[in-house]
Amino acid sequence: DVKVTQSSRYLVKRTGEKVFLECVQDMDHENMFWYRQDPGLGLRLIYFSYDVKMKEKGDIPEGYSVSREKKERFSLILESASTNQTSMYLCASSAPGTGTYEQYFGPGTRLTVT
Amino acid sequence: DAKTTQPTSMDCAEGRAANLPCNHSTISGNEYVYWYRQIHSQGPQYIIHGLKNNETNEMASLIITEDRKSSTLILPHATLRDTAVYYCIVYRNYGQNFVFGPGTRLSVLP
Repeated sequence: DVKVTQSSRYLVKRTGEKVFLECVQDMDHENMFWYRQDPGLGLRLIYFSYDVKMKEKGDIPEGYSVSREKKERFSLILESASTNQTSMYLCASSAPGTGTYEQYFGPGTRLTVT
Repeated sequence: DAKTTQPTSMDCAEGRAANLPCNHSTISGNEYVYWYRQIHSQGPQYIIHGLKNNETNEMASLIITEDRKSSTLILPHATLRDTAVYYCIVYRNYGQNFVFGPGTRLSVLP
């Protein structure tokens, strides 16, 4: 069974803390993604990566960075957490190729910044 | 980028077919229509996708109009477990990312 796992389901951090969200996939997928989900706004893409050490900005990269040192692992970093980064964070992975673009999502991390 | 428009919410009786519409009037010729759903407290799950022709799999059917400006996802016999938010997505043909809108909240009622 394919699996995308995220390090925590729930996380509470203080304003100004550095926060690491980890995502691991076991499908040998090249592509990995980080989204945030907020009520009424749907899912918004933060960053994605199509290979090790490669990264591309999504629609809302401000305040975030990412790291992809190994193919199976994609980390989202909040350098200095702020209250407006309180959200549900979802990681996904996919294999490249035209015509089929199924993303597999993890269960999500609900981050609260106080 | 092609944008999609979906109803905010819909109800469906258990055992009946659920028909979820999506408008994508600015879709380009090489853009696919994808459908995902998100059950409460879980990550989104792929359902089906198509380009021009109608498609069917074990979960659902996808009907795309001839002009490709709209589509309908059909769950043939909705169950309570189909209660979820359903996202219609047009895949941008540059970069490798989807645009998820607010989706349609489907409630399957007993």
